Parts: sequence; C-alpha cells; structure tokens
Amino acid sequence: EAEVAQSPRYKITEKSQAVAFWCDPISGHATLYWYRQILGQGPELLVQFQDESVVDDSQLPKDRFSAERLKGVDSTLKIQPAELGDSAMYLCASSLGGGQVFEQYFGPGTRLTVT
Amino acid sequence: GNSVTQMEGPVTLSEEAFLTINCTYTATGYPSLFWYVQYPGEGLQLLLKATKADDKGSNKGFEATYRKETTSFHLEKGSVQVSDSAVYFCALSDRLGGGNKLTFGTGTQLKVEL
Repeated sequence: EAEVAQSPRYKITEKSQAVAFWCDPISGHATLYWYRQILGQGPELLVQFQDESVVDDSQLPKDRFSAERLKGVDSTLKIQPAELGDSAMYLCASSLGGGQVFEQYFGPGTRLTVT
Repeated sequence: GNSVTQMEGPVTLSEEAFLTINCTYTATGYPSLFWYVQYPGEGLQLLLKATKADDKGSNKGFEATYRKETTSFHLEKGSVQVSDSAVYFCALSDRLGGGNKLTFGTGTQLKVEL
C-alpha cells in the first residue's frame, strides 16, 4: 500500500540553527499539506500546495518558515532560525486534490526538539 | 471560522465496554466530517468519514453519524479492545476557497484495560 514518506523521523537542534524536513507524497497526489502538531493538541495547517503552487500559507510564520514543492512532487519545509516554541511534530499529508474533498493520507511525522 | 470541540480525555474503559467520544463542530459551509486515529509515535490514520447530513461513517466496528441539526459527529463502538487504545481526533473539511484543509479538535486519548 502506498504511503507518505517523511524524513528524518526525529530531529534535535539547537535554538537559532536551521532545520529542514522532507516529504514524499503518495504517487499521483496533487495536493500536499504540512501540519504542525504541538503535544496534546490537534494538528494545525501550516501550508497547502496544489501541484507546485501554494494554495494556503496563512498560518505559516513566514519570517522563519519556508516551504517549497518545486516539481510538484516532493516537498521541503525549512525553519531558520529555530526557536524553542517550534518543538512539535511536523506532519505531511497528501490527497488527490481537485474540487472535491478527498481523504488526506498522513506520513509518520518528524518530531522536532529545539534545545 | 471553523472549529471542532471534543470531549476531554483520557477516557479509560474496560475491554468490551461501550465507547462514545463526543464531537461538535462549527462551520460556515457544509463540511465533510472525519475521525482520525493516532497510535503512539505514529502519524494519523483515517478511521471513518461522512460527507453530508445523516450519513453514517463506519470502519472496524466504529461508527459516527453526521447530525446537522445538533452539529455533532460522535464516535461510538459497541465493544472496545485493548488494541483500540490511541488518540482519536475529530476533524472537518470544507470546500470554501477550494482549500480543503482539515480543522482538528484537540484529540481524546482512549485507554482500554483488561
């Protein structure tokens, strides 16, 4: 069964350092999402791509976060510089996209700890 | 804006007990509703969904009915197992603006004991 791949699974970094996460969606899925899940809370959307275009990045802290999906396939989420409050699980999800509401399939996540 | 409210956990049950996890929502459009499950250290898995009023989603013995009049989507299971121990998230998605983003509740932890 096809799955969303994410790496690394765990990342520990010091405050003010740069960190990057990678996501490879299910083949053929046009829509890709990055969510942040703080411990004890539900995930919140950071950015959504339709193919290579950003559809929604209203909750992305653009002064330190950036995301790209250059060829409309895999995606990278970057934080520079990292802050203590960025410690969380970063989840990538993908769906078929288009005008209908399709199920989103989630990857295993990257757990970030900022020290 | 959209929001989802879930009952707080943890919910602790004995094996074979009946489960209900309450979920209510606020949405400006006509959302689709979902239940996701998250096992320790893993990502979220879709458990069931309903896309319009009065639809019933079901999977693995879990059920939830989309109640527009009470804006609710409560999760139920007749007989829980230890393997059902996980965190359960209620979520909604609407098509306003074409975004289809999911809005999640805070999650309800379920612990099932022998």
